[in-house]
Amino acid sequence: AQRVTQPEKLLSVFKGAPVELKCNYSYSGSPELFWYVQYSRQRLQLLLRHISRESIKGFTADLNKGETSFHLKKPFAQEEDSAMYYCALNQYNQGGKLIFGQGTELSVKP
Amino acid sequence: ETGVTQSPTHLIKTRGQQVTLRCSSQSGHNTVSWYQQALGQGPQFIFQYYREEENGRGNFPPRFSGLQFPNYSSELNVNALELDDSALYLCASSLDFTGELFFGEGSRLTVL
Repeated sequence: AQRVTQPEKLLSVFKGAPVELKCNYSYSGSPELFWYVQYSRQRLQLLLRHISRESIKGFTADLNKGETSFHLKKPFAQEEDSAMYYCALNQYNQGGKLIFGQGTELSVKP
Repeated sequence: ETGVTQSPTHLIKTRGQQVTLRCSSQSGHNTVSWYQQALGQGPQFIFQYYREEENGRGNFPPRFSGLQFPNYSSELNVNALELDDSALYLCASSLDFTGELFFGEGSRLTVL
């Protein structure tokens, strides 16, 4: 069965420290993966997708098919990065039907 | 460019009642998806509408139904409400079948 797992409910780091939010998936086909973010009192919004391979707000994520992972990384965390982060899997050929992980709350302390 | 808007933002119902939630999609988008987000959980896919037709459904009972209108706005209807239906209901629009969704702020439903 298709599944997305984010093992950490809460990740707390100090400003300037590296951040890695973990995401593992289970999917038999060719996955399309996303990271969505929800800042305090804002709506859920797309942060990045693995196909574009771009860096958004200093965050990057690499799809590792061997380890079935799509971890989100940032070398130096900022206080404004504090938010809920959701990893999501788009089932191949079923566009827009995302399977979300449970989310990781990132708290960046000054 | 108008974003995704949902109404109402909050509502309280009692068990057994029916509820209708509404969503206006982002300008230019023809696909609307609905998600249920229980407290402390990630969003869970309910169903998707593309050009007024249901285009996929998650693991939700038939008492969850929907509509999409010619202007691509959408409704989510839930009949015979149960306590476990208490959640945040998110609407998301997109252009065709992309996983790049634009979300509304949600409708928070409380069932007593």
